[in-house]
Amino acid sequence: DQQVKQNSPSLSVQEGRISILNCDYTNSMFDYFLWYKKYPAEGPTFLISISSIKDKNEDGRFTVFLNKSAKHLSLHIVPSQPGDSAVYFCAAAKDSGGGADGLTFGKGTHLIIQP
Amino acid sequence: DTGVSQNPRHKITKRGQNVTFRCDPISEHNRLYWYRQTLGQGPEFLTYFQNEAQLEKSRLLSDRFSAERPKGSFSTLEIQRTEQGDSAMYLCASSLPSTWREETQYFGPGTRLLVL
Repeated sequence: DQQVKQNSPSLSVQEGRISILNCDYTNSMFDYFLWYKKYPAEGPTFLISISSIKDKNEDGRFTVFLNKSAKHLSLHIVPSQPGDSAVYFCAAAKDSGGGADGLTFGKGTHLIIQP
Repeated sequence: DTGVSQNPRHKITKRGQNVTFRCDPISEHNRLYWYRQTLGQGPEFLTYFQNEAQLEKSRLLSDRFSAERPKGSFSTLEIQRTEQGDSAMYLCASSLPSTWREETQYFGPGTRLLVL
């Protein structure tokens, strides 16, 4: 069973516009969420995170929103730049931040920024 | 470079052979994780160390897999009698939790294994 779901395998956005990547989860025990960016042949790079006590976290062009009641989070990238083209993974952790079970990842969304 | 490093970056082996991968975490990080990623999937948790103690193993980690972190620094992941289904990217991550609620894992570049 997929506990973290990224239902859009790919997303194409024009340079300068907003990119919105979505993630849904089913396990109510998750209380810390992270977004990672991955280029081909490289490991995931940490982007931004949010704990369940917040509903928004912002870092430069990246903002993550968390809707606990809907078990939904989203990553907004504004403005989108060509270097943002990559696969984005949503990940979730339980309790003390993943120490017991590791992170649970979605399957990823391939973001393509068009010039 | 002070990030997580993994060696080798690529490994091709024949079915039935043993392989060993190494991970060097960020120096002050006390937690170390191993994940496996196959095509079209996100990384899947395999096992986790707190210092030198292996505290958790996923059901994905069959008896042919063993991991060690002997001095609480680098870690090795060994796969014995490799099978074609073991072909994947093996990722290592490390962390130093600052609070009980928040822990960010930093990943290495991975070791891509191909079993022929």
